[in-house]
Amino acid sequence: NAGVTQTPKFQVLKTGQSMTLQCAQDMNHNSMYWYRQDPGMGLRLIYYSASEGTTDKGEVPNGYNVSRLNKREFSLRLESAAPSQTSVYFCASSYPGTGGNQPQHFGDGTRLSIL
Amino acid sequence: AQSVAQPEDQVNVAEGNPLTVKCTYSVSGNPYLFWYVQYPNRGLQFLLKYITGDNLVKGSYGFEAEFNKSQTSFHLKKPSALVSDSALYFCAVRDPYNTDKLIFGTGTRLQVFP
Repeated sequence: NAGVTQTPKFQVLKTGQSMTLQCAQDMNHNSMYWYRQDPGMGLRLIYYSASEGTTDKGEVPNGYNVSRLNKREFSLRLESAAPSQTSVYFCASSYPGTGGNQPQHFGDGTRLSIL
Repeated sequence: AQSVAQPEDQVNVAEGNPLTVKCTYSVSGNPYLFWYVQYPNRGLQFLLKYITGDNLVKGSYGFEAEFNKSQTSFHLKKPSALVSDSALYFCAVRDPYNTDKLIFGTGTRLQVFP
């Protein structure tokens, strides 16, 4: 049981390049999330998907797009990478349960550097 | 605004001593509270949660947390720290206006010295 799998684990891009970060979960969860983690700022939500076919903006959506390909997969795309997007990106999933009483499960992250 | 505060960037404790990592919250209604731990180069791992009921919640790896409604706090505790407990700890609260979402604190680094 792999849980939440993110690919790639590391990536270096040049400013202006595009890239898609992949995430897949095998826990049959309805909700999936993309966060970025920066020093001293905790986790900030970029986008989330409450169910297959739906996506919504989080706290810091600018410069990103997402696709909920099916129930298992939720990808994050940087169309034109900028140095400010250098960060560690985490994907998470959850079965929200009754009013959000279930925890989120996280992948091990993608470490992205934009030069 | 709904928020979570972790007032200490770092907590240092000697192995074998009790540890406390502090968390306070500000949300509307009854809070759903969570603690997560992050080891180097890994994702966040769920430790424990408070939804309702007993104010003392027990979780993984010997950790527990005490919910205090009057002080709007949810401090993480462990009676006897281990060097292997050294990690980054995050407190989170469910967003009452969108229950699919969590609001995270900025994290507290716990350093346990031998």
